[in-house]
Amino acid sequence: GESVGLHLPTLSVQEGDNSIINCAYSNSASDYFIWYKQESGKGPQFIIDIRSNMDKRQGQRVTVLLNKTVKHLSLQIAATQPGDSAVYFCAENTDKLIFGTGTRLQVFP
Amino acid sequence: EAQVTQNPRYLITVTGKKLTVTCSQNMNHEYMSWYRQDPGLGLRQIYYSMNVEVTDKGDVPEGYKVSRKEKRNFPLILESPSPNQTSLYFCASSPTGDPQYFGPGTRLLVL
Repeated sequence: GESVGLHLPTLSVQEGDNSIINCAYSNSASDYFIWYKQESGKGPQFIIDIRSNMDKRQGQRVTVLLNKTVKHLSLQIAATQPGDSAVYFCAENTDKLIFGTGTRLQVFP
Repeated sequence: EAQVTQNPRYLITVTGKKLTVTCSQNMNHEYMSWYRQDPGLGLRQIYYSMNVEVTDKGDVPEGYKVSRKEKRNFPLILESPSPNQTSLYFCASSPTGDPQYFGPGTRLLVL
């Protein structure tokens, strides 16, 4: 989810397991959310988005869940692979896009 | 290959020396934007452009300029860089208003 200070929260998972990365957003009026993946030394990469009129959206090996009641967003990655190692951050959109600081996903063999 | 390119990737400069970071996209996107990324903070938008000759300030525009003379190019200009502009900069493009394709980043150090 959101980080405090300079240290990103880290999620370590074994290759093949499922990963769940969480994000708490701040504005109950946010109507659109995006998950990004940022590998070391690269720019962010759009993964999946979801609108506030949906609770769930699935992509290829990824699922985003939205719980508007508690203002919580999660990204689930099925069968996590070494190539999934990266920082994942969410963004919420009301009249502008606000980015979270992210969670570092580490995949070990 | 669809991509956003930025140059240079790394730059060390001194306070007050004007510099330009170029950004180009080959996807014919109308929307382009610049962000800076600093430790402990989420991406912050500097400037954005909805189309050619249309630019607007983001959240942290002070000390930066942009131009959009052509659809594919969106350079970021620092007229008089200062050390607090030391950061990692990303250009992004999208067919809509939210960034989908990011460049590889430009790491700037201002001494």
